[in-house]
Amino acid sequence: QKEVEQDPGPLSVPEGAIVSLNCTYSNSAFQYFMWYRQYSRKGPELLMYTYSSGNKEDGRFTAQVDKSSKYISLFIRDSQPSDSATYLCAMSAGGGSYIPTFGRGTSLIVHP
Amino acid sequence: NAGVMQNPRHLVRRRGQEARLRCSPMKGHSHVYWYRQLPEEGLKFMVYLQKENIIDESGMPKERFSAEFPKEGPSILRIQQVVRGDSAAYFCASSPGDSPYTFGSGTRLTVV
Repeated sequence: QKEVEQDPGPLSVPEGAIVSLNCTYSNSAFQYFMWYRQYSRKGPELLMYTYSSGNKEDGRFTAQVDKSSKYISLFIRDSQPSDSATYLCAMSAGGGSYIPTFGRGTSLIVHP
Repeated sequence: NAGVMQNPRHLVRRRGQEARLRCSPMKGHSHVYWYRQLPEEGLKFMVYLQKENIIDESGMPKERFSAEFPKEGPSILRIQQVVRGDSAAYFCASSPGDSPYTFGSGTRLTVV
């Protein structure tokens, strides 16, 4: 079992849809959770950064962490074609061992 | 404030040649990380460096690969005697040590 599991997709949705992207993990020591967005031929850029369980909202994006289920989600409301990208989850135990483990990434396509 | 700068953006090498990839971290960031990305595998950690020190090289192949982050100048990832399997996108990231990474745009290495 991989430490972080993420469905590679592709996930294709119409413009305006609510998108749900998910990752599961096995390491209960993870406390810091991140979502990165990567456009084709570009480097990943940080979208959301959360600590421990709960929700965090930033504009159209909401990150959700459920540590009891070892499950994290990223929701995108009112999706736009410009949201088409690969979304990578990442997580770490934090502290001095801050080298996150990345999921494979989910390819999202938002069509007009 | 320039982001993480990587060069070259594209690098073509013949089998057996050496590849040198450069990374200048963001201003104020003393931690540098190198990752390799293959289409079917996602981002794989290679090495973590601070100035003049390798902190964690657990993801580096034992042979042909080396990395440095000198007191002055950029971090260098060096691949000797390249083989076709080294073809990938190589990403550098930097951080001040207690925050998530900022990634560069990557170097795409093609071995012919």
